[in-house]
Amino acid sequence: NAGVMQNPRHLVRRRGQEARLRCSPMKGHSHVYWYRQLPEEGLKFMVYLQKENIIDESGMPKERFSAEFPKEGPSILRIQQVVRGDSAAYFCASSPRLSSYEQYFGPGTRLTVT
Amino acid sequence: GENVEQHPSTLSVQEGDSAVIKCTYSDSASNYFPWYKQELGKRPQLIIDIRSNVGEKKDQRIAVTLNKTAKHFSLHITETQPEDSAVYFCAASRRDGNKLVFGAGTILRVKS
Repeated sequence: NAGVMQNPRHLVRRRGQEARLRCSPMKGHSHVYWYRQLPEEGLKFMVYLQKENIIDESGMPKERFSAEFPKEGPSILRIQQVVRGDSAAYFCASSPRLSSYEQYFGPGTRLTVT
Repeated sequence: GENVEQHPSTLSVQEGDSAVIKCTYSDSASNYFPWYKQELGKRPQLIIDIRSNVGEKKDQRIAVTLNKTAKHFSLHITETQPEDSAVYFCAASRRDGNKLVFGAGTILRVKS
């Protein structure tokens, strides 16, 4: 029973480039959450998606960040024109349905902007 | 919006002693309170959780207590072992929102 998968595990981008982070939820899970963890800080909610729907994006920066969870394939968090302050660990979590509270986390993608 | 405060930020205990980490939350509509353990460079792992209709929950050496009136909840680890050393995060969420609001974390060091 595979857990939540994320790739790449490590990503290095130069300032101004685009970063694409992918998340495949656990089998049978249709809800995906993205969180960001800055060095030595807690996790901050970014966005909550179901298949083909953004449910809550209240934690997403207004510019440069977008997320999607298509009918087929993984959820993608996209960061355009990255800046040094985007360097962080980005975790996704999944849960099976709205009525299920538990969220299970993937291994994270560590983004470094040089 | 919801705010979760966590104390202490670091905690050192001797192997075999107990460790207690406390969190307070601000949103009275929160009704789910999980605890995650995160080892260095690893994913947060759900270790125990509690829902608002329960006051206490125990799983072997770990337990969580919830006081809804005071809006605080605590993690208790008994008979600590070196492998308990990690960062522990509390979180809170609402039934109608599902997003987790995390505390800032507690670095637990168990000295052998």
